[in-house]
Amino acid sequence: DGGITQSPKYLFRKEGQNVTLSCEQNLNHDAMYWYRQDPGQGLRLIYYSQIVNDFQKGDIAEGYSVSREKKESFPLTVTSAQKNPTAFYLCASSIGETYNEQFFGPGTRLTVL
Amino acid sequence: GQSLEQPSEVTAVEGAIVQINCTYQTSGFYGLSWYQQHDGGAPTFLSYNGLDGLEETGRFSSFLSRSDSYGYLLLQELQMKDSASYFCAVRGPSGGSYIPTFGRGTSLIVHP
Repeated sequence: DGGITQSPKYLFRKEGQNVTLSCEQNLNHDAMYWYRQDPGQGLRLIYYSQIVNDFQKGDIAEGYSVSREKKESFPLTVTSAQKNPTAFYLCASSIGETYNEQFFGPGTRLTVL
Repeated sequence: GQSLEQPSEVTAVEGAIVQINCTYQTSGFYGLSWYQQHDGGAPTFLSYNGLDGLEETGRFSSFLSRSDSYGYLLLQELQMKDSASYFCAVRGPSGGSYIPTFGRGTSLIVHP
């Protein structure tokens, strides 16, 4: 079955540590996205990528980094520069940047201890 | 940039009809979408309106008025499983791309 996988589902990190969240899709989609979700704030766009080896900052990119070396994979690194990283992180993909239907992964809940 | 407004919470009883409104501001408009998210789960796509009018998909319908920068999601024959958060989203221009922006979500509570 085609879909998007994110791992791990729950992640704990100590302050000052970088951590990488995995996102893989086998839908053959060109566009991929990372969102952060906090209670009462909906989904906020961190980074997006329209094609391999290209990515753009979203609304809240500070303290995060991404790579897009393969079409299927779009990992997100939460760096120590992110002052409030505890949140629910969602990865999504769409056929292309102009396609409105996005498919979401199950999410990773990151907690900083 | 883009911004969206939707009510934070709506309550209704099983079997009833409920409407969730969404107003938006955007410098360019490329459609209004709706997503459903159950607690702790992933959002799932419900509908898309690119042109004015009503789109119907089973018990769910979505409406758009571009002149009013307004849309709504209509849920009929409500069931307990419809209790979830509902997000409207617009796609608008940003730096040569078309990035999505989501509203803060409406929590729908369905009572028996």
